[in-house]
Amino acid sequence: DAGVIQSPRHEVTEMGQEVTLRCKPISGHNSLFWYRQTMMRGLELLIYFNNNVPIDDSGMPEDRFSAKMPNASFSTLKIQPSEPRDSAVYFCASRATGGFYNEQFFGPGTRLTVL
Amino acid sequence: TQLLEQSPQFLSIQEGENLTVYCNSSSVFSSLQWYRQEPGEGPVLLVTVVTGGEVKKLKRLTFQFGDARKDSSLHITAAQPGDTGLYLCAAGGTGRRALTFGSGTRLQVQP
Repeated sequence: DAGVIQSPRHEVTEMGQEVTLRCKPISGHNSLFWYRQTMMRGLELLIYFNNNVPIDDSGMPEDRFSAKMPNASFSTLKIQPSEPRDSAVYFCASRATGGFYNEQFFGPGTRLTVL
Repeated sequence: TQLLEQSPQFLSIQEGENLTVYCNSSSVFSSLQWYRQEPGEGPVLLVTVVTGGEVKKLKRLTFQFGDARKDSSLHITAAQPGDTGLYLCAAGGTGRRALTFGSGTRLQVQP
């Protein structure tokens, strides 16, 4: 199994540009989570999906952030327009069907730098 | 929101030393997990504890869940440089709910 796949691994962009982060969950997992990690705030949940439906997006910082999951094997997190304070490592994680204790498998992350 | 506080925030020790890190909350949890994150990678699950007072061992790592299921500890015996990383506790994720993560303990083991 390839695990959770994220792309790109690194992204450097200028303030005001649109950024799209991509995630492919582990096949068969029905829950997908987007997190943001910074030194100051630690690991924060942004949004999560169950069976492709957004369940809780209360962690999304503001309207500049949006996430979609058009099918069970793909999700995107978009930031438009990006700002320097969005610089962080963004992780995608997925959970196995029937995983009562919510064991989550994380991707390697996308390191985003907004200049 | 269920708040998980971890201590210490940073720990730098010599190879061979023992250490304990803590995860505390005012909330009761049905289960608690510990993850380790190495530089440049995502967190990886180490263990899940579900019963108050439960002790689990993973080689040199010993995990304990408090009797009241509000706190947990991770003890490492004879630490090695390969133990270096960020240790995160997480709880609250059952059924359809997402996990809440603690702020983490950053461990550096010097050779």
